[in-house]
Amino acid sequence: SQQGEEDPQALSIQEGENATMNCSYKTSINNLQWYRQNSGRGLVHLILIRSNEREKHSGRLRVTLDTSKKSSSLLITASRAADTASYFCATAQAGTALIFGKGTTLSVSS
Amino acid sequence: NAGVMQNPRHLVRRRGQEARLRCSPMKGHSHVYWYRQLPEEGLKFMVYLQKENIIDESGMPKERFSAEFPKEGPSILRIQQVVRGDSAAYFCASSWNRDSDEQYFGPGTRLTVT
Repeated sequence: SQQGEEDPQALSIQEGENATMNCSYKTSINNLQWYRQNSGRGLVHLILIRSNEREKHSGRLRVTLDTSKKSSSLLITASRAADTASYFCATAQAGTALIFGKGTTLSVSS
Repeated sequence: NAGVMQNPRHLVRRRGQEARLRCSPMKGHSHVYWYRQLPEEGLKFMVYLQKENIIDESGMPKERFSAEFPKEGPSILRIQQVVRGDSAAYFCASSWNRDSDEQYFGPGTRLTVT
């Protein structure tokens, strides 16, 4: 069953703008992870946030987690054309497989 | 330290043939997960294996699909009598242990059934 659902499905922005993607999930989790996938390629792990954390930063990425609302957001600041990709959230309970959403397709134009 | 290796990267099979996908986990990892990605979709879990054991196969179709992770060698995902609907990208991921938070993904095998 689909656990994470990303919103929006597609996002088009200009270079330098910020991109925000949201993810909602249904059941309790151990952690939530964000991945990037360039067209026709494998997945690249971006960031992991645990259920007891509220916010995490990594370079131009900022992830928030609200367990009461069962939602997370990924913010990419000062976007670049190279950020063009699909972004997936995935939820996990300890020792289980990841459950992925359908992804947000981000297009950054120069 | 090589990452997760998958081969072949692209595989074309005619309907009714067998497809064998291989996954070598990262060095030191004994847990392997297989996922399938249909076009324009997210990844869907198929099966979770530890060396010589299937831990969770709840996402795997009951017929035609099987997976193994022998004591020696790569993990194999086998699809018998492939149909067009099996065309997808198949990814494997590995982790160090059952409680590990992070799974490391391979580049995937793109299966096309003609």
